[in-house]
Amino acid sequence: DQQVKQNSPSLSVQEGRISILNCDYTNSMFDYFLWYKKYPAEGPTFLISISSIKDKNEDGRFTVFLNKSAKHLSLHIVPSQPGDSAVYFCAASGSGTYKYIFGTGTRLKVLA
Amino acid sequence: DAMVIQNPRYQVTQFGKPVTLSCSQTLNHNVMYWYQQKSSQAPKLLFHYYDKDFNNEADTPDNFQSRRPNTSFCFLDIRSPGLGDAAMYLCATSREARTTDTQYFGPGTRLTVL
Repeated sequence: DQQVKQNSPSLSVQEGRISILNCDYTNSMFDYFLWYKKYPAEGPTFLISISSIKDKNEDGRFTVFLNKSAKHLSLHIVPSQPGDSAVYFCAASGSGTYKYIFGTGTRLKVLA
Repeated sequence: DAMVIQNPRYQVTQFGKPVTLSCSQTLNHNVMYWYQQKSSQAPKLLFHYYDKDFNNEADTPDNFQSRRPNTSFCFLDIRSPGLGDAAMYLCATSREARTTDTQYFGPGTRLTVL
């Protein structure tokens, strides 16, 4: 049973526009959420995180929104750049554990 | 630069032939993790070490073992690889075992089983 779901395997966006990547979770005990970015032939790198006590966290062009009632989080990238083209993984933690549960990833392609 | 290093980057083994994957870190982190990621799937935690304490996931097959001889190194041993064990193996570290302690990943080792 997949507790963290990224239902869009891929997304294409024009350079300069907004990219929105979505993630849903089923375990209401999760209280910490992260986004990782992965380039080909590299390991995932931490991008941004959010605690369940917040509904928004912003870092430069990247903003993560958390909707606890809907068990949904999203990553907004504004403006999108070709260098943002990568696979983005959503992860969740909590429920009495520090371990991460990952989603299957969304491949973002930013078109120049 | 402090980092997580995995060797080799690509490993080919034969069905049933034991194989060892290596991970080292210069971050001096207490926790080291091993994940398995199959194509188009989420990374799946196999086990982790907090210092010398080994923590196995309940659904990790017995075929997978790990060793951590010191803070810097951690090894993944696959005793008898099957075709289903072909995957990317990711090593990660974190300073402590807390939810808010970011995990830092190595580049991974892609294992092929012939």
